[in-house]
Amino acid sequence: SAVISQKPSRDICQRGTSLTIQCQVDSQVTMMFWYRQQPGQSLTLIATANQGSEATYESGFVIDKFPISRPNLTFSTLTVSNMSPEDSSIYLCSVYRGENEKLFFGSGTQLSVL
Amino acid sequence: KQEVTQIPAALSVPEGENLVLNCSFTDSAIYNLQWFRQDPGKGLTSLLLIQSSQREQTSGRLNASLDKSSGRSTLYIAASQPGDSATYLCASGGGADGLTFGKGTHLIIQP
Repeated sequence: SAVISQKPSRDICQRGTSLTIQCQVDSQVTMMFWYRQQPGQSLTLIATANQGSEATYESGFVIDKFPISRPNLTFSTLTVSNMSPEDSSIYLCSVYRGENEKLFFGSGTQLSVL
Repeated sequence: KQEVTQIPAALSVPEGENLVLNCSFTDSAIYNLQWFRQDPGKGLTSLLLIQSSQREQTSGRLNASLDKSSGRSTLYIAASQPGDSATYLCASGGGADGLTFGKGTHLIIQP
């Protein structure tokens, strides 16, 4: 398994502000994935964070809104910028572990935007 | 683009029953298929992973099968217990594309 520490676990933010979510993994990984889970919905991939290169964003997600940093092989941050109530979601980071590429998740960040 | 569908969306059964959760996917060229469990206010717990070359995987009371030709996977839970109550998600894909998730089956086991 993988130990993934994510923080904050939850936050309540005001419209127009930004929140940075941190994800720390217990060992080096090539790819780190950031997902969003909107209320009552399933998980949607936001972007893949690769160390030493720009993150790869999925359709519908842009760097200006969700800037990602990946300074080393065990850490990544996702910023939710200029927040609106529509950004209220659970944000999760995840990594593969093992040759089978089993995906493991952090405990998530519950974000509420007022 | 891969689409993953889970049926039923919700299921409530008495304790002790065996049950089957269904998952279908549109693109059979998958790397693997994973089943997860999500508890309220918590992250996802990986239950079983089936590689594309495999037909099934078992862990305790859980058995997951994969039929790539029909684009289907099932999660079988034997002798259900109240502690099995959670949302079960299946996801397919792998590699640099990550996983595509279904919307989940919300399972309630009645004591």
